[in-house]
Order: sequence, then structure tokens, then C-alpha cells
Amino acid sequence: EADIYQTPRYLVIGTGKKITLECSQTMGHDKMYWYQQDPGMELHLIHYSYGVNSTEKGDLSSESTVSRIRTEHFPLTLESARPSHTSQYLCASSIPGTGNNEQFFGPGTRLTVL
Amino acid sequence: SQQGEEDPQALSIQEGENATMNCSYKTSINNLQWYRQNSGRGLVHLILIRSNEREKHSGRLRVTLDTSKKSSSLLITASRAADTASYFCATKGSGNTPLVFGKGTRLSVIA
Repeated sequence: EADIYQTPRYLVIGTGKKITLECSQTMGHDKMYWYQQDPGMELHLIHYSYGVNSTEKGDLSSESTVSRIRTEHFPLTLESARPSHTSQYLCASSIPGTGNNEQFFGPGTRLTVL
Repeated sequence: SQQGEEDPQALSIQEGENATMNCSYKTSINNLQWYRQNSGRGLVHLILIRSNEREKHSGRLRVTLDTSKKSSSLLITASRAADTASYFCATKGSGNTPLVFGKGTRLSVIA
């Protein structure tokens, strides 16, 4: 079992609320990722980071933002949640230096915006 | 984009049978990886095959890679009900590019 944690596991909120999804890993991985996945569908990369103070946008246009102030922590923030943000959000990290990008995933946060 | 495309989208088999899933991609890769996802959970890495490898085994898993056809297959032998999950291939390009995941194959193993 990988040491990567996501909180909360489930979140139901109203439209317009600001939310932050937490992701932490204790493996010392430099690379971290956020994916959005609708049930039974493909993963879409929305943000990634290759180290502290480094963040990049992924393939899927997203209204979220991320920060990487500490190696182990990679939170995702939605400034104003909308029903279209309802989805599962998966955080992952990968081993530095190998070039393989084998990824370890957290359990996910299932977000419902009413 | 070098997105992998899995085939079939869904597969239902009896326990004890073999399950084969295929993945095709578009551009050259450094490696190709297979992941499993149980319903509502995160993905778990299964196996990685490098571009200079043709076949790899891990327990009941066998992965092949044909770079000339830009395709890979994942074979699960003697399937069990616990193998029921979605299986994703992911491709790694050259340089510092992130993995690109395919759409997945949903496998159901009926006891």
C-alpha cells in the first residue's frame, strides 16, 4: 500500500463554495499529479509538479489551482465550485530520477457539487 | 497526443479463463505501464515494459509490446473474481513528460 493520502474521501458542497482537496505523500517523491476522473471513464491530468515551487497545467482545462510549497504536500483548490466540478479527483506521485514515472495513487476524493 | 486506447472497452469472462486486453498508442514511447483500478479507488501499478522489451511476466500477468505496431497486450491467466476491475495502459514519452493514460478496459470475472 502506497503512502499517499487524500482528504476528504467524500465531499458534498453547494455551488460557489471554495474548497481545497488535500494530498500528502511520505515517500519523498518529487513528482506529484492531480487527475480528474468521472466514474468508469478515463483519467484527465489537470495539474502536476516536478518539485517544490514548480507547477504545471495538464491536458484538461481546469478552473482549479495547485501549490507546492513542501515536497510532501500538493493541495488542489477550487475557488468557486460548480456542478460541472462533480467528479473523482485522484492524486499521485512518482519516484524521482528513474525516468519511468511509475505512479502511486491515493484513494481519491469524490466531490459532489449541488 | 500519445494517448493509449484500450480494447475492448468491457470484457466479461468466467473464473479460470484467461483475459486479454489490448492497448494502442500513437507516438514513440520510453515505456508502457499497466494499472488496475478497483471501483471507486485509486489506481495500482501492475507492470512496466520498456520500449526495448518485447515481453514481460509478473505472476499471472503477461505483457507484450510491439513498437512497430504501437500496441501492447495484457494477459491475465486463470482469472479470479478478485481480478474484477478496470485496467488502464499508460504511455511514457521521452524527456520529462507525464504519463498519458488510456480509457481503460472494464473486466468482470464471474465466479
